[in-house]
Parts: sequence; C-alpha cells; structure tokens
Amino acid sequence: GQNIDQPTEMTATEGAIVQINCTYQTSGFNGLFWYQQHAGEAPTFLSYNVLDGLEEKGRFSSFLSRSKGYSYLLLKELQMKDSASYLCAVMDSNYQLIWGAGTKLIIKP
Amino acid sequence: GAVVSQHPSRVICKSGTSVKIECRSLDFQATTMFWYRQFPKKSLMLMATSNEGSKATYEQGVEKDKFLINHASLTLSTLTVTSAHPEDSSFYICSARDYRSPYNEQFFGPGTRLTVL
Repeated sequence: GQNIDQPTEMTATEGAIVQINCTYQTSGFNGLFWYQQHAGEAPTFLSYNVLDGLEEKGRFSSFLSRSKGYSYLLLKELQMKDSASYLCAVMDSNYQLIWGAGTKLIIKP
Repeated sequence: GAVVSQHPSRVICKSGTSVKIECRSLDFQATTMFWYRQFPKKSLMLMATSNEGSKATYEQGVEKDKFLINHASLTLSTLTVTSAHPEDSSFYICSARDYRSPYNEQFFGPGTRLTVL
C-alpha cells in the first residue's frame, strides 16, 4: 500500500529552526509537495521537490532523497505565524496526490 | 498563484436536506478538480476527481449517489451532498490543478464547513 509518515506534532521556539521529516512509500513518484494549513483554512503550497537535493525559498527549505524515500521541510527564524499544520504529499505514478496526516507545529515565545 | 474560490464558506442545514457547494477557478481553466473531506486534526481525504465534461472518478468507499459531482465547465465544479446526515458534517475542500504551473501543484479553495443538525 501507499504510505506517508510524518510526526503528529512538534514544538519549537520563536526565532529558532525546526525540521519536519516525511518518509514515503508510494507506487511511483512524480514529486513531493509541502503545504501549510492554518486551522480552519485550506492548504497553501510551500514547495515542490522532484530531484534529489535542497530547494531553498526564503525562510523555508525542502530536501528530498528519492533513494531513501525521505524529505524534510526546514523552517528558519520561526515566527508565531508559522504555527500551523504542515502537510507532506507525494504525487504517484497516476499523478494523484497521496497525503500525509500532517504535522502540527506549535511555536512558543 | 492561481485562485480557486469556494462557496459557501459555511453552511448549517437540517438532516435530510441537500447542500450544494461550488468550486470555481477564477483565473485559469481547470479540466480537473478534486474534492476532499477533512475531519478535525486529520489529513485530507480525497473523495473524487472531477473531470470537465465527463463523470467524476470516486475513491473507494465514497458513495457516488450521496455525493453528486458535476463539472459542467472548465471553471466550475459542484459537489452536492444529498440527504445530509449529521455524520456528513465536515470540512469540504476543493482544489484545481493549473497545468500552466511548472510544479503541477493543486491550488485549494478556502473550504466549506458543513454542519448538519
């Protein structure tokens, strides 16, 4: 079966750095997405990785290792507004998104 | 990025009634739209893939007669929850894929919170 694993909840301090991991087992791979979802709102696109390596976009970076079925989202200089759920999703061979359960990130002052 | 709207944002209805939710792509044409359901503190659950001009493709376990999907144009898909019951109360989110985007990502509407009394 297809499976996406990520931690349920993480806590970090304002101004610090946090890394959210995601491991996956899917039938085929056409890219991995990270989305941010604030409570009661729809997800918003953060990043996309299809090749191995690190993609940096401002305070957020995303890393992918296809051989290990592993990705992480790195958030730097954390702000209170970064408190949200972070969803990892993999596009499989049918170009369908397989979603992880999301990681709730709690930022403390 | 591309903009997807969803209406209504909130709806409360009585058990047994039907509710229609609209999903529109505002600045692009979407041949494919997706309907998701999300329970509190849970991830997105894909209900169906809506294809313009053809029948929707439902995921296993989703009742097609209960959740009617119509994709009549390249910018509009509708989800109708028929004979709603309290267990249908949930957050329903639509998304659309913008093929102009290099990432082929899905853009999400703001969601509809349905409460069935």
